[in-house]
Amino acid sequence: EVQVLESGGGLVQPGGALRLSCAASGFTFSSYAMSWVRQAPGKGLEWVSGISGRGGSTNYADSVKGRFTISRDNSKNTLYLQMNSLRAEDTAVYYCAKHPAELPFIDSWGQGTLVTVSS
Amino acid sequence: DIQLTQSPSFLSASVGDRVTITCRASQGISSYLAWYHQKPGKAPKLLIYAASTLQSGVPSRFSGSGSGTEFTLTISSLQPEDFTTYYCQQLNSYPLTFGGGTKVEIK
Repeated sequence: EVQVLESGGGLVQPGGALRLSCAASGFTFSSYAMSWVRQAPGKGLEWVSGISGRGGSTNYADSVKGRFTISRDNSKNTLYLQMNSLRAEDTAVYYCAKHPAELPFIDSWGQGTLVTVSS
Repeated sequence: DIQLTQSPSFLSASVGDRVTITCRASQGISSYLAWYHQKPGKAPKLLIYAASTLQSGVPSRFSGSGSGTEFTLTISSLQPEDFTTYYCQQLNSYPLTFGGGTKVEIK
């Protein structure tokens, strides 16, 4: 069974940093692109960042470009999101999401981890 | 970036109704569109990809159509579990973007 489990969320002050992790199981991790998608409280979905299976290609939403870095460790079946210079508007539930192979849509989602940026 | 506009934002309907949700793209995206639904407090789930291909396990009452800039999601006969929020997502180019969502409520 495909499973992705996020961790690392919490409360952080504006300007601070946080690293999210996503542990994957039930599939050959290195063969699948992965993404982070977030949802601010009471709002819609926002795609944040994506990475190819081997990690050689990354993409970002304009709202996080230059502040967030996506990476993966295929030996540990783990996806990461390093978030720097956090702002109040980054407050959201962050979902780890699996793509089918290198296709751009998402076929599996984690349960999400809440990031709150507040002083 | 490609913008997606969903309409309506809210929809009231009854069990058994046929409903249609529209998603319009700010530029042509061929058939590179997916639909998801999301229940409160839960992660989204994939319904349709490539505009009209039903994801495995999704009931046949869901269907998608369209290409270019206009797409529709149709539920042929609403069931109680379908009263939730629906999102479209364009798959044509990065950054990937979602529509603003359509909440389907019980009339």
